[in-house]
Amino acid sequence: RKEVEQDPGPFNVPEGATVAFNCTYSNSASQSFFWYRQDCRKEPKLLMSVYSSGNEDGRFTAQLNRASQYISLLIRDSKLSDSATYLCVVNLYSGAGSYQLTFGKGTKLSVIP
Amino acid sequence: DAGITQSPRHKVTETGTPVTLRCHQTENHRYMYWYRQDPGHGLRLIHYSYGVKDTDKGEVSDGYSVSRSKTEDFLLTLESATSSQTSVYFCAISHGGQGALQYFGPGTRLTVT
Repeated sequence: RKEVEQDPGPFNVPEGATVAFNCTYSNSASQSFFWYRQDCRKEPKLLMSVYSSGNEDGRFTAQLNRASQYISLLIRDSKLSDSATYLCVVNLYSGAGSYQLTFGKGTKLSVIP
Repeated sequence: DAGITQSPRHKVTETGTPVTLRCHQTENHRYMYWYRQDPGHGLRLIHYSYGVKDTDKGEVSDGYSVSRSKTEDFLLTLESATSSQTSVYFCAISHGGQGALQYFGPGTRLTVT
C-alpha cells in the first residue's frame, strides 16, 4: 500500500461547483496533516492544516478521520483561481521516534468557466 | 512568503558534467531539504540536513551529494549529470524536525541533454 494515496484526477468542474478530494494514509501513528496547493510550474504552498475536529477557512473545509486514516478537502463555490494541483501531506511515523513529512502525488483540479 | 531562494532557476547542461544547485534561506531554520518532482512520481526526497555539516539521505539519493557549511545555504551537487536527472528540484525548510511543516523555494528546472 502506498503511504499517502490520492485520486490523481483531473477533476474538471464548472465555476460555482462544490468539489471534494480524498486522501488515505498508511500509518496510524501519523500526527500532523496538511493540504498544500501547487500551481502549474510553481512551488507547493501550504493551503491549510487539518485538525482532528475538522476546520474551515472560507470556502475550504478539511476533515480528518483517524480511525479510517482518511483526510478530505472540500471546496465550495469553486473559482477559476482554484485551478491547481492539491497535495495531501502527512507526517508518517518512520520509526525510532522519528517522523517524515510525506507528500501524495496530488489531485489536479480544473475549474471551467 | 518564506525567505527561500534557489539558484539557478533554470539550467541546461550536458550529460557527464557536474552541476551544483544552491538553496539559500533567511529564516534561520535548522532543517533543509532537497526534493525532485517528476510527472507520475510527485515529490521525492533526495537529501536533507538537520544542521550545519549534518546531512542524511532520502529515498532517491543515488547520484547526488549535498553540503551545508552555513545555516543559510544547502547545496545539491550532481557529480556527473545524467538524462534521468532532468527534473524540477525544490528546496524546502522547516523549523522543527522532519515531520514538521515545510516551506518551499521557487524551484530549479534542470534539463540534462
